[in-house]
Amino acid sequence: DTGVSQNPRHKITKRGQNVTFRCDPISEHNRLYWYRQTLGQGPEFLTYFQNEAQLEKSRLLSDRFSAERPKGSFSTLEIQRTEQGDSAMYLCASSLWTGGNEQFFGPGTRLTVL
Amino acid sequence: QKEVEQDPGPLSVPEGAIVSLNCTYSNSAFQYFMWYRQYSRKGPELLMYTYSSGNKEDGRFTAQVDKSSKYISLFIRDSQPSDSATYLCAMKEGGSYIPTFGRGTSLIVHP
Repeated sequence: DTGVSQNPRHKITKRGQNVTFRCDPISEHNRLYWYRQTLGQGPEFLTYFQNEAQLEKSRLLSDRFSAERPKGSFSTLEIQRTEQGDSAMYLCASSLWTGGNEQFFGPGTRLTVL
Repeated sequence: QKEVEQDPGPLSVPEGAIVSLNCTYSNSAFQYFMWYRQYSRKGPELLMYTYSSGNKEDGRFTAQVDKSSKYISLFIRDSQPSDSATYLCAMKEGGSYIPTFGRGTSLIVHP
C-alpha cells in the first residue's frame, strides 16, 4: 500500500497521560501535515513540515503538543498531559511541494481521553 | 461567520438521483478549491481539485466554482448507495499550503 499510514488507529488513555502518534507519508512526498477533526466538523490544521523543518504551527497547537519529523520521512505527534478536550481524530496528510499541493490523507488516529 | 460555510445535512436522496452539494466562502483570496469524501471513521479522500473559476468533470462528479458569487458546488450524477458519506469542501489562497475546510455535508443515498 503506497498511501499515507497512521498508527495506532485507536488510542484510549486516561487524563494526564502522554500519547504519541505516528504518520508515514507517501514516500515521494516531502510535505507532511497534521490536522485534528472533532465530530461534525472539518479538519483543523495543527502544523506542517517540509522535509524535516516544521514551517508552520497553528494557535491550536498548545505547549502540550509537539511534532517532529526527524529525518524528513515519518512524523510523530505527541500530546503531553492529555485532557478530555483532546479527544478527537488526528489526521495526517502529505503532498508534493510542486504543483497544486494536493494533500492526501491517512486513515487517522482516534484518541479518546477518559 | 466562518470563512467557509457548508450545510451539515443530512441530505437524503434515492439511488440514481442527481446530488448537489454546496459551499459558500467569504475570503476572496481563495484560488484553489477541493472536494473530499469521508466515510465514517476514515480519513478524507480527495475527489476533485480545481483552480479558479469554471467547471471540472471526472466521471459522475462535476465540480463548479463561481468566484464572483463565492460559491462552489459538487454534482454527483446517478448517485449510488456507496456514495453515502460526508463531503467536505476545502479551499486555499494561492500562496498558502494550508486549506480551510467546511464542516462537511452528510449524504445518504438510499436504494
